[in-house]
Amino acid sequence: EVQLVESGGGLVQPGGSLRLSCAGSGFTFSSYGMHWVRQAPGKGLEYVSSISSNGGNTYYANSVKGRFTISRDNSGNTLYLQMGSLRPEDMAVYYCVRGDGTTVVKRAFNIWGQGTMVTVSS
Amino acid sequence: DIQMTQSPSSLSASVGDRVTITCRASQGISNYLAWFQQKPGKAPKSLIYAASSLQSGVPSKFSGSGSGTDFTLTISSLQPEDFATYYCQQYNTYPLTFGQGTRLEIK
Repeated sequence: EVQLVESGGGLVQPGGSLRLSCAGSGFTFSSYGMHWVRQAPGKGLEYVSSISSNGGNTYYANSVKGRFTISRDNSGNTLYLQMGSLRPEDMAVYYCVRGDGTTVVKRAFNIWGQGTMVTVSS
Repeated sequence: DIQMTQSPSSLSASVGDRVTITCRASQGISNYLAWFQQKPGKAPKSLIYAASSLQSGVPSKFSGSGSGTDFTLTISSLQPEDFATYYCQQYNTYPLTFGQGTRLEIK
């Protein structure tokens, strides 16, 4: 069974840092582009970041560029999102999403994880 | 950034009804359009990609159409499990963008 399991969420103070992880299983992790999408409480879906299968290409939403870094460890089947200079508006459920190809250009989303909650508050 | 506008924002319908949700892009995106379903407290689920192709395992009661800037999602013969929030998303250009969502409620 294809599965994505996020972890690493929690409570962090404004200005703080946090690293999210997403463990993939049931598929060849190194063959797929991956994404992060977030959803603030009671709000809609917001794109965060993408990374190609080999990590060579990355993309970010304007709202997180320069503060967040996406990366992956294909040997460990894990996707990461390093979040820094966190703001109250970054508070959301963060979802890990598998793409449907090796590239993340003009390729659709496919499988979603269950999400991990990040709370930014003093 | 490309803006995605869904209409209506909310919709009431009865079991057995057929409904259509519209998504408009602020510029042409060819057919790089996806639809997602989200139930309360759950992760989104991918329904449709490339404007009209069903993801694996998605029933044929869901259908999508459109190209360029105007797209539709149609759900036929509504069942209780179909009442949820639906989002469109363009993946033609970065940054990727979502519509604001359409909440489908039971009448």
